[in-house]
Amino acid sequence: GIQVEQSPPDLILQEGANSTLRCNFSDSVNNLQWFHQNPWGQLINLFYIPSGTKQNGRLSATTVATERYSLLYISSSQTTDSGVYFCAVEVHYGQNFVFGPGTRLSVLP
Amino acid sequence: EAGVTQFPSHSVIEKGQTVTLRCDPISGHDNLYWYRRVMGKEIKFLLHFVKESKQDESGMPNNRFLAERTGGTYSTLKVQPAELEDSGVYFCASSRDRVYTEAFFGQGTRLTVV
Repeated sequence: GIQVEQSPPDLILQEGANSTLRCNFSDSVNNLQWFHQNPWGQLINLFYIPSGTKQNGRLSATTVATERYSLLYISSSQTTDSGVYFCAVEVHYGQNFVFGPGTRLSVLP
Repeated sequence: EAGVTQFPSHSVIEKGQTVTLRCDPISGHDNLYWYRRVMGKEIKFLLHFVKESKQDESGMPNNRFLAERTGGTYSTLKVQPAELEDSGVYFCASSRDRVYTEAFFGQGTRLTVV
């Protein structure tokens, strides 16, 4: 099956810093989404981005499907950005997502 | 438009007891999915409904788990009897179509089995 890797596994930032999270996948995908799991365990949709670039406030994402990777950019990080960031891909029709292992982000005040 | 809603948000039960989780998908979404993240591991797919029919239940771990979606609206996931290793966060997601559409996740139910 498809392999989904995320890097780095852990990231500690000072408030205000910028960061880039990466998601690599081993096969062509029909769909890719980024999620943020906050410290309370809630999974928040960030981006639906099978290809191209999107921006939402301080967050933006780029997926280069032909090269099988996606990047999530966080600018001017805030303590509320802390949590685990997951990318998930859909390989076959039916949206049974395969999730990456996540990047755990800690933003310090 | 309301998002995907899950009940309860948190449940603490003793080993051997039964727990039922509920998911209300976004109105009009025929596709409903259950996922879970246990013991800090990766989020794993459990099963997929299209309306009231189980399309794929290959991720269900064992027969202690029973999912239903009567009438093609809300879904329940019952764990009976619960074991310690069932502790984790259970997520529900829904989508309008099967392909090329965004899946929306609920806030999850944190299940703790003691």
